[in-house]
Amino acid sequence: QSVLTQPPSVSAAPEQKVTMSCSGSSSNVENNYVSWYQQLPGTAPKLLIYDDSKRPSGTPDRFSGSKSGTSATLGITGLQTGDEAEYYCGTWDSSLSAYVFGSGTKVTVL
Amino acid sequence: EVQLLESGGGMAQPGGSLRLSCTGSGFTFSSFALSWVRQAPGKGLEWVSGISGAGGRTFYAASVKGRFTISRDNSKNTLFLQMKSLRAEDTAVYHCAKDVYGSGSYLDGFNVWGQGTMVTVSS
Repeated sequence: QSVLTQPPSVSAAPEQKVTMSCSGSSSNVENNYVSWYQQLPGTAPKLLIYDDSKRPSGTPDRFSGSKSGTSATLGITGLQTGDEAEYYCGTWDSSLSAYVFGSGTKVTVL
Repeated sequence: EVQLLESGGGMAQPGGSLRLSCTGSGFTFSSFALSWVRQAPGKGLEWVSGISGAGGRTFYAASVKGRFTISRDNSKNTLFLQMKSLRAEDTAVYHCAKDVYGSGSYLDGFNVWGQGTMVTVSS
């Protein structure tokens, strides 16, 4: 069982918006920066968002990250078929002295 | 181009050992913490271990502590993972990953990933 909780799946039609949550605790999400990773089928994960809301060069501005308390959120606007992937949140856990990932959310474009 | 390339995967028997390597290029290797992240077939990501840029600080997941040892040779731009007392549940693709920042006091997130090397533990 993951330290960080993510919904198993979310879906929406093309061009619509989806959001997904990442719920943790004061030892991880609330007091450490959250990153989000996109994993397309058969490929290595890719950093999508870091430091809660920053986008690395190459991440479209359709992707956004936010955080409030012990919960972080990834949003995708203008959904495209190429966005179908597994999305993972991750952060440092100060109590465990370990990096932790969520269980992943599968995004489906209807 | 910043790259990480893993090697050393393969098959091992339960109780056996394997040593993974990861060679980095395109960045100042010694300035960044590095980690190993694994993914069992059909499962999610699991962070395994991390090491600071200079190698003085190491971190382990509870599931591998005491069995796996992470190390690095900055003169050769290479990261290692020595795996002992292997179990069936260690079967996974093992990725090495570069930290976003170089603090080394904790891990910030991973902005460069290798393609991974497969480890299969089976009798």
